Amino acid sequence: GQNIDQPTEMTATEGAIVQINCTYQTSGFNGLFWYQQHAGEAPTFLSYNVLDGLEEKGRFSSFLSRSKGYSYLLLKELQMKDSASYLCAVLDSNYQLIWGAGTKLIIKP
Amino acid sequence: GAVVSQHPSWVICKSGTSVKIECRSLDFQATTMFWYRQFPKQSLMLMATSNEGSKATYEQGVEKDKFLINHASLTLSTLTVTSAHPEDSSFYICSARGLQESYEQYFGPGTRLTVT
Repeated sequence: GQNIDQPTEMTATEGAIVQINCTYQTSGFNGLFWYQQHAGEAPTFLSYNVLDGLEEKGRFSSFLSRSKGYSYLLLKELQMKDSASYLCAVLDSNYQLIWGAGTKLIIKP
Repeated sequence: GAVVSQHPSWVICKSGTSVKIECRSLDFQATTMFWYRQFPKQSLMLMATSNEGSKATYEQGVEKDKFLINHASLTLSTLTVTSAHPEDSSFYICSARGLQESYEQYFGPGTRLTVT
């Protein structure tokens, strides 16, 4: 079966750095997405990785290792507004998005 | 660019009635649209995938006669919840995908449905 694992909840301090991990086992791989979702709102796109390595975009970076079936989202200089759920999703061989359950990130002052 | 709108943003209806939710891609042609539902504190659950001009593909366990999906044009898809029951109360989100290489999905703002 297809499976995406990410921690249910994480807590971090304002101004700090946090890494949210995602491991996956899917039928085929055509890329991995990270989305941010605030409570009561729709997800918004953060990043897309299809090749191994680190993609940096401002305070957010995303890493992919296809051989390990592993990705992480790194958030630097945390702000209170970063409190949200972070969803990892993999595009499988049929170009369908397989979603993880999401990681709720709580930022404390 | 890549804006998706959804209407209405919230709706309250009585049990047994039907509700239609519209999803529009405003500045691109959406070859594929997706409908999700999300219960509180849970992740997205894909209900169905629709391609313009063809019948929607429903996920296992989703009743196609209850959740009617129409994708009549490259910019509009509708989801009709027929004979709604309180257990259908949920957050319904549509997303649209164009022909870009990344297969990124652009999400609408969601519709909160409450059935009383």
